[in-house]
Amino acid sequence: GAGVSQTPSNKVTEKGKYVELRCDPISGHTALYWYRQSLGQGPEFLIYFQGTGAADDSGLPNDRFFAVRPEGSVSTLKIQRTERGDSAVYLCASSSIVNSPLHFGNGTRLTVT
Amino acid sequence: AQSVTQLDSQVPVFEEAPVELRCNYSSSVSVYLFWYVQYPNQGLQLLLKYLSGSTLVKGINGFEAEFNKSQTSFHLRKPSVHISDTAEYFCAVSPTGGKLIFGQGTELSVKP
Repeated sequence: GAGVSQTPSNKVTEKGKYVELRCDPISGHTALYWYRQSLGQGPEFLIYFQGTGAADDSGLPNDRFFAVRPEGSVSTLKIQRTERGDSAVYLCASSSIVNSPLHFGNGTRLTVT
Repeated sequence: AQSVTQLDSQVPVFEEAPVELRCNYSSSVSVYLFWYVQYPNQGLQLLLKYLSGSTLVKGINGFEAEFNKSQTSFHLRKPSVHISDTAEYFCAVSPTGGKLIFGQGTELSVKP
């Protein structure tokens, strides 16, 4: 079956613009996670969903970042007024239940110029 | 709050030599422990996990890790590495409740 799909694979945007990053999890996986990975660093937790609701959004760095999962499947990470410091690879992962191993997508590389 | 420390940022090793990648975590509660591997230009893949039971865990590609509760460590080992093991390795901890917290990563470079 298909793995976790993230689109776009690359996104270049200008400082101050709004971006949306999409994640399509493995079918049937109820838990969905967003991470951010900067060069030379480990993935940094942003938010995770159990079904449609955000179970833990403690990793979102500020109110410019927001994520939704309206139907409990596809999720969108939204970043307003992008800054150069937002440049990173944004990773999405899903799991069948909480605490089961995460399956990661290949990420979206965001570059803010 | 939980944290994970990978003590070596880079580990160079010759092919067929043994390797150990070190990982320590801080947590006051029970945790699950994981090692993930990231090959160049690929996504993260699960190598192995410790949830409960035997403290020696075997994973894919000949890797194994040992959970040591008293030392709060979860070091990754392989008795004989191959060129194809060259990758970034991440240790991660999950409290009994969802999210994974990752270490900074260890770059394993296997030389012929």
